[in-house]
Amino acid sequence: GNSVTQMEGPVTLSEEAFLTINCTYTATGYPSLFWYVQYPGEGLQLLLKATKADDKGSNKGFEATYRKETTSFHLEKGSVQVSDSAVYFCALTAQKLVFGQGTRLTINP
Amino acid sequence: DAGVTQSPTHLIKTRGQHVTLRCSPISGHKSVSWYQQVLGQGPQFIFQYYEKEERGRGNFPDRFSARQFPNYSSELNVNALLLGDSALYLCASSFRIQGQDSGNTIYFGEGSWLTVV
Repeated sequence: GNSVTQMEGPVTLSEEAFLTINCTYTATGYPSLFWYVQYPGEGLQLLLKATKADDKGSNKGFEATYRKETTSFHLEKGSVQVSDSAVYFCALTAQKLVFGQGTRLTINP
Repeated sequence: DAGVTQSPTHLIKTRGQHVTLRCSPISGHKSVSWYQQVLGQGPQFIFQYYEKEERGRGNFPDRFSARQFPNYSSELNVNALLLGDSALYLCASSFRIQGQDSGNTIYFGEGSWLTVV
């Protein structure tokens, strides 16, 4: 079946550090891939997406590249801020959204 | 424009009771899906409705049911509540059927926090 596996958290970094959150997937066909972010007490917000192999999604300084050969969609940001503290979910679509378990990110000043 | 709105935002129920959660999609959106997010886990798909018809169901017991009204709003009903039903219930709306095309952006509400005691 379709599934998403994320790097386990929590992840704690200092402000301006480089961020990578790993995400790999298993799917039949060619799903679209997403990163969603959930700030404390809020619902999910779409952060970025990629719809086909080698596509790069980007938003607010975050980037992720759809790698079909490694079935991965790792999230990166070159310099994180305290306001990036949240839970990040990798997901794919296969007639419904299938989410990973989430990675809690805390950025310290 | 209003986003996806859900009500109530928080509620506490006793085991064995019934609960109804409500969702209003973004204006013009015809698809509504429901997800359950247990603390510390990713959301799990429960139902999708499009044009008032069920278009998908996740691996949840028959205690869970839903419907979509002519104005595209939706209700999620859970009967005979169990402690394990305690979770954040998220509603998601989109213009077309979710999962069928990459251009169909899915928007989430802020959720209804259900605590079963």
